[in-house]
Amino acid sequence: SAVISQKPSRDICQRGTSLTIQCQVDSQVTMMFWYRQQPGQSLTLIATANQGSEATYESGFVIDKFPISRPNLTFSTLTVSNMSPEDSSIYLCSVRGLAGTADGTDTQYFGPGTRLTVL
Amino acid sequence: SQQGEEDPQALSIQEGENATMNCSYKTSINNLQWYRQNSGRGLVHLILIRSNEREKHSGRLRVTLDTSKKSSSLLITASRAADTASYFCATDAWSGGGADGLTFGKGTHLIIQP
Repeated sequence: SAVISQKPSRDICQRGTSLTIQCQVDSQVTMMFWYRQQPGQSLTLIATANQGSEATYESGFVIDKFPISRPNLTFSTLTVSNMSPEDSSIYLCSVRGLAGTADGTDTQYFGPGTRLTVL
Repeated sequence: SQQGEEDPQALSIQEGENATMNCSYKTSINNLQWYRQNSGRGLVHLILIRSNEREKHSGRLRVTLDTSKKSSSLLITASRAADTASYFCATDAWSGGGADGLTFGKGTHLIIQP
């Protein structure tokens, strides 16, 4: 599987501020995704990060609140804008489309997550 | 919104016993993937089963898939304390023409008592 790193691993932020989370993969991948996991909950897909074009957002998530960049096949960023306490969650980067895996392009791998607390 | 439900939501068993978790989903899928999460950390991929497969094994893990009932089960045999974690199923409705991620169930929190 690919090695996926996220920065920062955790942060405590004040309401009204913004935080940019970075996701770096050690190999080129076809697709990158961003998920949110609210406290005690399961994961919810925020958006698909598309290289060279605007991200594709799921219902309930908008670009102004969660702008996403993907400048190349190994890197993406998610910004959480104008934060409120309700944004306190773990944010996870995920990838699919790794060459050389037994399950071809279908298996999705996850980064270690960024734990965000908004005061 | 969540694709489906995991059952049970919480499970506590003795070390050495087998643990079975179930997952139901609502729509047609291409594959179903099981993940483990320890204490709010990142997800570890356990196993992927395709819609045309009925059973798959990986070490102490056995996964079944019944597409007619839209359900899957994860069996962990000879459980160990290190298996204590939350387990999630996630369905993939990848169409090849869109940009679909995974839809997760609510998860089962498994506790292995030493």
